[in-house]
Amino acid sequence: NAGVTQTPKFRILKIGQSMTLQCTQDMNHNYMYWYRQDPGMGLKLIYYSVGAGITDKGEVPNGYNVSRSTTEDFPLRLELAAPSQTSVYFCASSPRQGDTEAFFGQGTRLTVV
Amino acid sequence: AQSVTQLGSHVSVSEGALVLLRCNYSSSVPPYLFWYVQYPNQGLQLLLKYTTGATLVKGINGFEAEFKKSETSFHLTKPSAHMSDAAEYFCAVKGRSNYQLIWGAGTKLIIKP
Repeated sequence: NAGVTQTPKFRILKIGQSMTLQCTQDMNHNYMYWYRQDPGMGLKLIYYSVGAGITDKGEVPNGYNVSRSTTEDFPLRLELAAPSQTSVYFCASSPRQGDTEAFFGQGTRLTVV
Repeated sequence: AQSVTQLGSHVSVSEGALVLLRCNYSSSVPPYLFWYVQYPNQGLQLLLKYTTGATLVKGINGFEAEFKKSETSFHLTKPSAHMSDAAEYFCAVKGRSNYQLIWGAGTKLIIKP
């Protein structure tokens, strides 16, 4: 089972460039999430989606955009990359909200220079 | 507001010794509590969770945690550490909104041979 797949695994961006982090899941989960993980900090929720066509902001959405055209895919777009966006990004999915396990991708390590 | 505090960013134990990772939370509603583990260069994986019922929860790889409401704690333990337990461990509590998890900063577990 593939689970949650993220690409790329690593990326270096120059300030002002843009990119899309890809995330796809094959578990038919309705809920999908994007987190960022910074050293010494817990995960911070960037955006989430409760189903195809429905997205909403999390705790730290500024500088990011998402779309959810299918159940499987939940790409994260960075526009005008800034050094503050240097982080490890995780995509996750879950079958429902609240008390259930979230399944995580392996992460994308992004450096903005 | 909900919050999670993990005591100690790094915990070092000898192989075969007791593992104790501390987690305290604050929540204005009955909490759902989670422990996740992150092995190097991988995504997070659920170890165990508490939602309702028995306060001693058993998880994978011999870990368990006890929910103590009076102490607002959910400490993670394992009787005998193994080298393969070296990883970072995250405690989380469900936020006020169903989609949200509030994460602790993580504790890196180091196993000494």
